[in-house]
Amino acid sequence: NAGVTQTPKFQVLKTGQSMTLQCAQDMNHEYMSWYRQDPGMGLRLIHYSVGAGITDQGEVPNGYNVSRSTTEDFPLRLLSAAPSQTSVYFCASSPTGTSGEQFFGPGTRLTVL
Amino acid sequence: SQQGEEDPQALSIQEGENATMNCSYKTSINNLQWYRQNSGRGLVHLILIRSNEREKHSGRLRVTLDTSKKSSSLLITASRAADTASYFCAAMNRDDKIIFGKGTRLHILP
Repeated sequence: NAGVTQTPKFQVLKTGQSMTLQCAQDMNHEYMSWYRQDPGMGLRLIHYSVGAGITDQGEVPNGYNVSRSTTEDFPLRLLSAAPSQTSVYFCASSPTGTSGEQFFGPGTRLTVL
Repeated sequence: SQQGEEDPQALSIQEGENATMNCSYKTSINNLQWYRQNSGRGLVHLILIRSNEREKHSGRLRVTLDTSKKSSSLLITASRAADTASYFCAAMNRDDKIIFGKGTRLHILP
């Protein structure tokens, strides 16, 4: 199993551009989530999904969209990138939602100029 | 606001000593988890303690949970250079949300 994979590993955007961060897992986990990690702020939950077709907002959802059309994939879309979205983004999945271990991807480092 | 808050923010100890990190949270939880993050890498799960448990062990790790004080501690015994990393607590809310703390940066000195 590849576990949780994220692409790209690095990305540089200009203000106003849009892009999609990809996340995929091959463990048949129902629960998936996106976090951003900023220096001194720890990880903050952006959006999460408890299963295909179901998504909900986390702590910092503004400026981001998600969809969950399959169990395996949970892409994160930046609609109009802003410098404040410069961060490291982590995707995670879990077979049991918040009652069990979260498996993290390696992260995407995004810079918005 | 952050559910979990770790204390201290940074900790440097000699190899072989024990390291203790604390975490506080604000609302009722299903469980609390601890994760390790090496520089530039993703988070790795260390240990989970459920809300009805008070103490749990895993190798050199010992976690305690005090739900009356809404706090948890992580003890790493006989520290090694490889333990140098950031450690995060994660509070699992009863509404399917996970809130991470800001982390403790642990540095093991040779």
